[in-house]
Amino acid sequence: QVHLVQSGAEVKKPGASVKVSCKASGYTFTNYFISWVRQAPGQGLEWMGWISSNNGNTNSAQKLQGRLTMTTDTSTSTAYMELRSLRSDDTAIYYCARDQPYYGSAYWGQGTLVTVSS
Amino acid sequence: ENVLTQSPGTLSLSPGERATLSCRASQSVSSSHLAWYQQKPGQAPRLLMYGASRRATGIPDRFSGSGSGTDFTLTISRLEPEDFAVYYCHQSGSSPRTFGQGTKVEIK
Repeated sequence: QVHLVQSGAEVKKPGASVKVSCKASGYTFTNYFISWVRQAPGQGLEWMGWISSNNGNTNSAQKLQGRLTMTTDTSTSTAYMELRSLRSDDTAIYYCARDQPYYGSAYWGQGTLVTVSS
Repeated sequence: ENVLTQSPGTLSLSPGERATLSCRASQSVSSSHLAWYQQKPGQAPRLLMYGASRRATGIPDRFSGSGSGTDFTLTISRLEPEDFAVYYCHQSGSSPRTFGQGTKVEIK
């Protein structure tokens, strides 16, 4: 069965960086994209971007460009999301999801809480 | 950016009642790229519908989706206790992908 397991909660100071991992299992990693979605406390879902696990192509929200880097390691079937220059409004739960154009994201990680606080 | 506006913000209904949730896009969305997600507190989103009207694996047939262009609807024919949650529409047909702000279905 398909599983996406994310790394644990992080507490960071403003201006720091965070790197969240998402380890996939139960399917051929390179056959699917990985999307990243975040959710601030009490708020809705915000799409951050996707990465093709096959060729590394990415697409991300313009507001995050310059601060967001998405990568994959096909040898370990792991996706990574790095966000730099953290601000307090980056405090959120960050989710990875297996993404298949047209078919949506049927599998999600458990979420990683990133808290940005001085 | 294709803005998705969901209405109502909150729907107060009783178990057994019908729920009708709306998602209106600021620009036309290919039906192939409109999905609905359900989220319960403390949980990751769950895919309900894709391609506007296709139920994801394991989703009961009381859930149905319809619509095209800029207007889409998620209908829950008879609410079960486990259906009280927040529902989001999502378009992946244009960049940036966007989510609606959500509709909370609460117990009346």
